[in-house]
Amino acid sequence: QVQLVESGGGVVQSGRSLRLSCAASGFTFSSYALHWVRQAPGKGLEWVAVISSDGSNKYYADSVKGRFTISRDNSKNTLYLQMNSLKADDTSVYYCARDPSSTWFAWFDPWGQGTLVTVSS
Amino acid sequence: DIQMTQSPSSLSASVGDRVTITCRASQSISSFLNWYQQKPGKAPKLLIYAASTLQSGVPSRFSGSGSGTDFTLTISSLQPEDFATYYCQQSYSTPFTFGPGTKVDVK
Repeated sequence: QVQLVESGGGVVQSGRSLRLSCAASGFTFSSYALHWVRQAPGKGLEWVAVISSDGSNKYYADSVKGRFTISRDNSKNTLYLQMNSLKADDTSVYYCARDPSSTWFAWFDPWGQGTLVTVSS
Repeated sequence: DIQMTQSPSSLSASVGDRVTITCRASQSISSFLNWYQQKPGKAPKLLIYAASTLQSGVPSRFSGSGSGTDFTLTISSLQPEDFATYYCQQSYSTPFTFGPGTKVDVK
């Protein structure tokens, strides 16, 4: 079955870096665009970034632009989110999610279970 | 950026009720509107995409309608497993923004 499993979350000090991973299985990874979406504790959903199937196109939310980098390794069926200069506002559960297209139609299915990032000051 | 609003922010309903949630975009997004269900501690689940297309495996009591700026999610007969928070999301342009959510709880 199609599965996405995030890892790499944890507690990190403000200003430091963290890299999240999302391991995919059950589908042809290199054929789909992928997204990161986050959710602060008790809050709503915020789209973070998208990467096309071949990694050539990427877009970011303004709130993370210049600090976060989305990437993928199609040989390892893994999506990444490199997060630098972390702020308290970045504290969230981070989800990876698959797009139905190689670029994006930008609906998300399925989602991973999420990984919690806590930025402490 | 396209702003998404939802109403109501919460509602109380009983099993068997017909429930309607409204989503409004700050500009026309054609039919680029999707709906998700989220239960506490779980990842969101796609219910409807492109305003009215039911995702595979989603019960037919869920339906979506609308285009332009105004959209509706309807649950025709609320079931116990439908108590959750519902989010709309536009896929017209980046950033792909979500509505603030509508929590459906037990009356």
